[in-house]
This record gives sequence, structure tokens and C-alpha cells, in this order.
Amino acid sequence: GENVEQHPSTLSVQEGDSAVIKCTYSDSASNYFPWYKQELGKGPQLIIDIRSNVGEKKDQRIAVTLNKTAKHFSLHITETQPEDSAVYFCAASTNGGKLIFGQGTTLQVKP
Amino acid sequence: EAGVAQSPRYKIIEKRQSVAFWCNPISGHATLYWYQQILGQGPKLLIQFQNNGVVDDSQLPKDRFSAERLKGVDSTLKIQPAKLEDSAVYLCASSLGVGFIGGYTFGSGTRLTVV
Repeated sequence: GENVEQHPSTLSVQEGDSAVIKCTYSDSASNYFPWYKQELGKGPQLIIDIRSNVGEKKDQRIAVTLNKTAKHFSLHITETQPEDSAVYFCAASTNGGKLIFGQGTTLQVKP
Repeated sequence: EAGVAQSPRYKIIEKRQSVAFWCNPISGHATLYWYQQILGQGPKLLIQFQNNGVVDDSQLPKDRFSAERLKGVDSTLKIQPAKLEDSAVYLCASSLGVGFIGGYTFGSGTRLTVV
């Protein structure tokens, strides 16, 4: 079955710097790749997603890139702010099936 | 629109006791999921419903876990008897339906502590 690997597990950046989180997946049939942000005591919240027919997608300060050949995708956050501090999860699914999540990255943005 | 509602928010039980969690998905969402999130890990799917039928329960420990979705709306997840390793956050999520390629909406979860 699908396996999603995520790294780094922790990331600390200075406010205003960029942050990059990377994920790899194993199932070449996967065609949907969302990113979730989870704050303490809350459920994961979808922040951006990308489908396999697109190589890059951007929404204000966040962007996601997908390399289908290498089977990896990345989350890029620019101009980080303290409120970006949270745990971020990548995930993958096939044709609307179940989401398989990575292990999570704890992002700390230092003021 | 109202989000996914879950209750209770927290539960502490002793091992071998039973516990039940409740979820009310977003109105109109046909697919409902229960995920288990152990501290420091990503969520892992336990069971997926489409309306009131089970689509995937391959990761559900059926000797102790059970779930139902009555009338294709609310759902309950039960653990009986609980073990220490069941301590986790249990997340409910919903989406428009199987085959819908889009994100889920998650509830805030129920944090279970088994002592």
C-alpha cells in the first residue's frame, strides 16, 4: 500500500525566513496531495492541495510543488510569521480514496 | 457552514473499560472517516463509511473496536475493552463522497487517555 515519508520532523526558522517541508510517496497511482496544519488541541486543517496534473500551486505565502517522476512533493512557506508555528502534515490519496499521512513536521517560527 | 462536531473532547478511562465517541459530520457529506492519531504521529485511518455502508475497515482492530453510522449521518466509534496503547486522539472527518478528489474536514477530536 501507499507509504508517505515526511522530513524534517522539526524545523525552526526566524520570522520572515522561508520554510520548506518535503514528502515522498510510494504509490505511483496517487493523484491527490493535500497539506494540513494542526494547532495544539485542534484537528488538522487543510491549507493547500495539489493534484497530479499540476506541477505547482500557490496561495499567497504558501506554495506546493509536485514532482511525479521522483514521487515527491514539497510545501514552501515564505515570509514566515509566528502564527505559522504548528505541526504540518502531508498526505496522499488515489482517486478520492483514503488519505495516507506523513509523520508530521513541527514548525517553530521565532520572533 | 457548521464544521464536524465531536464529543466528548476528553476522556480518561481505566484499561479494560469501554468508551464511545460520537461524530456529526458536515451536512450533505456522504463520506465519514475515523482516524487515530497517536502522539507525535500522523493520523491513521481506522474506518471509512460511504453513507451508512463501510468502505474500508482494514486497519480497524475488530476484536475491540467497532463503529457504526446510523442513517448515513452521525457515527459512533466504540472501544471495548480498552488497552493502554489505545491512548490517542480520535479524529472524525467528512468529505463530499468517495471519488471526490478534495480535502477532508476534520473535527477537533477526542483525546483518550487509558490508565
